[in-house]
Amino acid sequence: KQEVTQIPAALSVPEGENLVLNCSFTDSAIYNLQWFRQDPGKGLTSLLLIQSSQREQTSGRLNASLDKSSGRSTLYIAASQPGDSATYLCAVILLWAAGNKLTFGGGTRVLVKP
Amino acid sequence: DGGITQSPKYLFRKEGQNVTLSCEQNLNHDAMYWYRQDPGQGLRLIYYSQIVNDFQKGDIAEGYSVSREKKESFPLTVTSAQKNPTAFYLCASSLHPGTGGEGTEAFFGQGTRLTVV
Repeated sequence: KQEVTQIPAALSVPEGENLVLNCSFTDSAIYNLQWFRQDPGKGLTSLLLIQSSQREQTSGRLNASLDKSSGRSTLYIAASQPGDSATYLCAVILLWAAGNKLTFGGGTRVLVKP
Repeated sequence: DGGITQSPKYLFRKEGQNVTLSCEQNLNHDAMYWYRQDPGQGLRLIYYSQIVNDFQKGDIAEGYSVSREKKESFPLTVTSAQKNPTAFYLCASSLHPGTGGEGTEAFFGQGTRLTVV
């Protein structure tokens, strides 16, 4: 059974510092991996999708890497801002005969202090 | 605006009552999903559907039912058989399940918070 872990569960940094968020998964036979942001009481916002053939994906200040062989993905957020405060979730995407399945990690709650 | 609309935002259920959560998308996506989010347990898959008139049970389908009569709609009914329904419910969609690539990217609605009173 695929298990996805995000450590640490919470992180607090001063504004301007780079953020490094970790995601590990037990089964390397994933198809793709997706990172999300969730604000309190809100839905999930897609940040980056990394396809299995890619090793990294970039969008603005965000960069995500994927190492399937070691079962790890890392999300880097450069020059953090208070507006980056949120919970960040990773999800591995598996291919089923009946479609896709996303398995989520528990998330990392980030606080960026001004 | 294209997106996924969930309604209502807040819902209260009495003991023994069935309630239905609405999910509508105008993204022309084939696949739709329902997840439940509880504090400390992350998101768990309830049901998913990759085409109209077809759906599959997820990891925690007991006490729930769905229908997929139209491509853009995937309502979730929480039945009286669900003993602990208080949670945050999230609906999602993706373009083309099973084809890989960018078609697997999932997009989520803003959620419905269900409380048993």
